[in-house]
Amino acid sequence: GQQVMQIPQYQHVQEGEDFTTYCNSSTTLSNIQWYKQRPGGHPVFLIQLVKSGEVKKQKRLTFQFGEAKKNSSLHITATQTTDVGTYFCAGRRYGNKLVFGAGTILRVKS
Amino acid sequence: DTEVTQTPKHLVMGMTNKKSLKCEQHMGHRAMYWYKQKAKKPPELMFVYSYEKLSINESVPSRFSPECPNSSLLNLHLHALQPEDSALYLCASSQAPSGPSYNEQFFGPGTRLTVL
Repeated sequence: GQQVMQIPQYQHVQEGEDFTTYCNSSTTLSNIQWYKQRPGGHPVFLIQLVKSGEVKKQKRLTFQFGEAKKNSSLHITATQTTDVGTYFCAGRRYGNKLVFGAGTILRVKS
Repeated sequence: DTEVTQTPKHLVMGMTNKKSLKCEQHMGHRAMYWYKQKAKKPPELMFVYSYEKLSINESVPSRFSPECPNSSLLNLHLHALQPEDSALYLCASSQAPSGPSYNEQFFGPGTRLTVL
């Protein structure tokens, strides 16, 4: 079945350092979404990427979708303590089904 | 209103109990979902309803029974659960798919279920 791999599993950074999480799918995706889940919270949608090679920015967050539509990354510049949480990618091949990556837990030391 | 609500927030039940989880949204979304999430794991899809009809069942055991009474409500009926079913149960909704670019899912706060 469809799988979405996500690395790293954990990342501890000093406040102000950059952070990147990567996702790789075993199959070509129609689109990929990114979610953030704060400790004790629920997943909150961040962004959706649809086009091959697409790059989108939200303030300090940069999202990329690979040319082959099989991989994606989220990069956070100059992390802040408010960035703490688990970041999930979620790939969609077709229909309503999202397949979530395992998530990357981000901890920020101030 | 861009909120998905879930009740109860917490539920403790015995293995012989019958209980129900409830989910509600008033965003006009026509796709609704149940996910199960264990600690430090991603959400795991259980069921998808599209236009009030069950469209995906991810081989979920029959002790979980979903129901979609109308376009705003989604229930999950629980019966004879096992301790390993203890988890956070998340409801989500999205606009029904219309073309190749599907929309984001809005998640509710979840019901934390403990089965004794």
